[in-house]
Amino acid sequence: NAGVTQTPKFQVLKTGQSMTLQCAQDMNHNSMYWYRQDPGMGLRLIYYSASEGTTDKGEVPNGYNVSRLNKREFSLRLESAAPSQTSVYFCASRSSGGATEAFFGQGTRLTVV
Amino acid sequence: EDQVTQSPEALRLQEGESSSLNCSYTVSGLRGLFWYRQDPGKGPEFLFTLYSAGEEKEKERLKATLTKKESFLHITAPKPEDSATYLCAVLSGGSNYKLTFGKGTLLTVNP
Repeated sequence: NAGVTQTPKFQVLKTGQSMTLQCAQDMNHNSMYWYRQDPGMGLRLIYYSASEGTTDKGEVPNGYNVSRLNKREFSLRLESAAPSQTSVYFCASRSSGGATEAFFGQGTRLTVV
Repeated sequence: EDQVTQSPEALRLQEGESSSLNCSYTVSGLRGLFWYRQDPGKGPEFLFTLYSAGEEKEKERLKATLTKKESFLHITAPKPEDSATYLCAVLSGGSNYKLTFGKGTLLTVNP
């Protein structure tokens, strides 16, 4: 089982460029999440999708958009990257049947110059 | 607004020196509290789920406990390989399954 797969693993963008971070899970989970992790700030929720067809804003949604393409895939888009979006991004998924744990991908390290 | 506060931010122990990490929370309708371990450059790895006050879970040198306002992760006789960042998270049923994390505790165990 691959679990949660994120692509790319590393990316450098110039200010103003756009890009999409991809996330796919093969565990048939309903809920998916995007977090960013910065030193001293912990994991902050950007957007989440409780089930296919729904998305909700988290704590820090500004500058990001998401698409729940199907049950497996949840993408995060930066329309016009800013240096403040330099971070490590994690995707996670969990089954929504009860209080089940989330499984995380290995992260995407994004640098905006 | 769900809130999770972890303390201390960093903890340095000698091998064999037991201690506890704290996670205090404010949440609307707690469905579960989770502990994760994160090694540098990797995604968080699940350790425990606690569902209700009074519950305890154990795994090797780690034991997690839960009250109505906080959770503790007790580390007994730690080894250098226990060095990692430990994260606490709460799942809120009142917010459509939002999963909120604390900032974590960086644990360093010296040989």
